[in-house]
Amino acid sequence: EAGVAQSPRYKIIEKRQSVAFWCNPISGHATLYWYQQILGQGPKLLIQFQNNGVVDDSQLPKDRFSAERLKGVDSTLKIQPAKLEDSAVYLCASSPVGGEDKNIQYFGAGTRLSVL
Amino acid sequence: GQSLEQPSEVTAVEGAIVQINCTYQTSGFYGLSWYQQHDGGAPTFLSYNALDGLEETGRFSSFLSRSDSYGYLLLQELQMKDSASYFCAVRTGNKLTFGGGTRVLVKP
Repeated sequence: EAGVAQSPRYKIIEKRQSVAFWCNPISGHATLYWYQQILGQGPKLLIQFQNNGVVDDSQLPKDRFSAERLKGVDSTLKIQPAKLEDSAVYLCASSPVGGEDKNIQYFGAGTRLSVL
Repeated sequence: GQSLEQPSEVTAVEGAIVQINCTYQTSGFYGLSWYQQHDGGAPTFLSYNALDGLEETGRFSSFLSRSDSYGYLLLQELQMKDSASYFCAVRTGNKLTFGGGTRVLVKP
């Protein structure tokens, strides 16, 4: 079974530029999450989708961050414009709604963003 | 709001036992999860406790006391490959809130 795919793995941009990250969850997983993980900290949830609907985006800085999951499968997270404090690893995770694995989130390898 | 407390770092030798404690404050608590993350890697699921008691999976065990808002992860027979960060996370609904992580360093 293929895992959660994310691209790119690394991205370096200058402040005020824009950037986009892509995630393809495990096939059949209805729930998709985007997390921000700053070095030395735990992952912080930015947005949660179930199918193509937003379940929770309470911690998403909506003035600069946006995310979509138009067809209920893959998703993109965009930052525009980027700030220095956005330097972090952006992790995507997915989980099924029911079944044995419903309490497990499967994470991708992440995209490491450096804003200069 | 929600808060989780866990030690920032633990050092132990190969073959030893390490216990990582996690205390939490939250509303709408469903359960407590533990994830392992090696440097530069993805968090991977270790365990989930929804009920009080001890869950054992190989060398790793996890415990939960809902009345005390407390849980722990027990790592036994430590191996070098166990050097990693370990995160507790509270589940509320379908959402996870992670603690700051405990960095475990295993020495020969």
